[in-house]
Parts: sequence; structure tokens; C-alpha cells
Amino acid sequence: EDQVTQSPEALRLQEGESSSLNCSYTVSGLRGLFWYRQDPGKGPEFLFTLYSAGEEKEKERLKATLTKKESFLHITAPKPEDSATYLCAVQAGWGNQFYFGTGTSLTVIP
Amino acid sequence: NAGVTQTPKFQVLKTGQSMTLQCAQDMNHNSMYWYRQDPGMGLRLIYYSASEGTTDKGEVPNGYNVSRLNKREFSLRLESAAPSQTSVYFCASRRGREVSYEQYFGPGTRLTVT
Repeated sequence: EDQVTQSPEALRLQEGESSSLNCSYTVSGLRGLFWYRQDPGKGPEFLFTLYSAGEEKEKERLKATLTKKESFLHITAPKPEDSATYLCAVQAGWGNQFYFGTGTSLTVIP
Repeated sequence: NAGVTQTPKFQVLKTGQSMTLQCAQDMNHNSMYWYRQDPGMGLRLIYYSASEGTTDKGEVPNGYNVSRLNKREFSLRLESAAPSQTSVYFCASRRGREVSYEQYFGPGTRLTVT
């Protein structure tokens, strides 16, 4: 069964304290792994797509990496405005379905 | 360019009542999706429409029906609401099924069934 697991569930960081969020997956035929940011009361907002092991993508203070079993979202010198829930999702096989993890709630304290 | 819009934003229903959640996108996207989001469960796919005129079941379709009215609109219907359907419902659209196309989400509908 396709599965996506994110850890930790919640993370509190001081402003400027770098850390990483983990997304591990067990799917058949990974076609893409996606990272989204979700602010309270809003819909998810797309951040990155990763297609194959070894790939990396960067955007401002965020860097996403992918291995054959997991993805990391590295946050460098975070700011309070980075506080949000970060969701990971995979698309597998040739279907049109996505499987989401439960997310990591990040709080950055000034 | 409004992106993906959903109505209503909030709704309270009594058990057994019916309602339709509306979703529209103005990006000329081919694929549209309905998800529900529950605490500790993440986003789960209810139904999707790969293109106008087609719909398919997702992970949790029981108790729901959908209609792809045209390329812009994709509605979700609860025929007889149950407390287990209390959730936040998100509609999303995507240009096509190619993996390079990301999903765009609406703001959500918060539904409570008492």
C-alpha cells in the first residue's frame, strides 16, 4: 500500500535556527514528490516538485532533496514568516492520484 | 485571475441533510480534484476528474458524488450528510496529468454535520 509519513509532527525553532523536515514514502513507481506550504485556514500552496533520487530544489530559505526512500525539506536561518504546516505528497504509477502525508507544523519564534 | 474558488466557506448541516459544494477554476486546467482534510489524517482524495466529461473515485468516495459540469466547474454532493463527514474540503485543479504540473488549491469549505 502506498504510504507517506512525515516527521516530526511539530517543530519549534528559534529565528535563525536551521533544521530539516522529513518525508518518507513507500510507493510503487514514484513519478514525483511534492512539497506544499499550508497557512492556517488556507489551502496548500505549491513549493517544489522532485522527480528522481539525487535531485535538489531551492527557494529562498528552503531546500528540498530526494533519495530513493525519503525527502528532506531543509530550512536555513528561518524567520517567523516561515511558520506554517509543510505537507509532502507523492504521485505514483500512471494514475492521477496523490497521496499526502499528515504534515509538519513549524513554528519559528522571534 | 481568481485561481480556484470554493463556495460556501462555512456550512453547518444536520444529519441526513444534503448539500453541494461548488468549485470553479479560471486557469483553463483540465484536471480537478476534491480532497478532505481531517486532523491527523492529512489530505485524502475523494474524487477527481482527469478531464472534462470524466470522473473517478479516489481513496474515500463513499457518501459523495461529483459532477464535472464543464471545464471550469467541479461540484461535490453529499446526499445524506453524516457526522463522519465533518471536515475541511479542498478543491484543486491542475493543468493536466503530467507530473510536472502542480496542483492549485482553493481556500476550502469548513463543513460541520451535527
